[in-house]
Amino acid sequence: DVKVTQSSRYLVKRTGEKVFLECVQDMDHENMFWYRQDPGLGLRLIYFSYDVKMKEKGDIPEGYSVSREKKERFSLILESASTNQTSMYLCASSWGDATNEKLFFGSGTQLSVL
Amino acid sequence: AQSVTQLGSHVSVSEGALVLLRCNYSSSVPPYLFWYVQYPNQGLQLLLKYTSAATLVKGINGFEAEFKKSETSFHLTKPSAHMSDAAEYFCAVAYSGGYQKVTFGTGTKLQVIP
Repeated sequence: DVKVTQSSRYLVKRTGEKVFLECVQDMDHENMFWYRQDPGLGLRLIYFSYDVKMKEKGDIPEGYSVSREKKERFSLILESASTNQTSMYLCASSWGDATNEKLFFGSGTQLSVL
Repeated sequence: AQSVTQLGSHVSVSEGALVLLRCNYSSSVPPYLFWYVQYPNQGLQLLLKYTSAATLVKGINGFEAEFKKSETSFHLTKPSAHMSDAAEYFCAVAYSGGYQKVTFGTGTKLQVIP
């Protein structure tokens, strides 16, 4: 089975800090995604990457950046964390286009920004 | 623009009763439709997907969903609820050519009462 591993389950940061969320997948998937999950809002796509060093904005990229230096690793960066970025962050990967391929999700990182 | 509406943020059923989780979609082109499930403290996993091959789609754990174009619906059902079905369920929509963009609903939490 595909495994998508997020480095931290819980993270507490202060406003203004630079925050790195790490994600690793072990199945050589081309595509990787970062979503945030908020109660009542479902999942919203922040960024995705379709190849090493390639990235595209999702629906809510403001305040975030990403890095994909190796195929298996996709990092989400909060340049200057703010309280409205307190959320559950989910990483996902897929073999092909996510519109008709299965997404494999990590178990999430609950980020609290104080 | 594509969107999904999940009716009912919380649904309670008795163990052994029918499970019905509602999803209506909006898409200007033929959609791909998905149901994902999220168990406590886990990431999402795919239950089933519709990609136009058959209107009745069978998924894992005894769940199925029927695509009804006339009603723009893709409701999820299971004849007999089990305690282990307690989770949050997300409907999602995408379309061919949408390139990685999957739009998730707001989720429905299913409670199973013994």
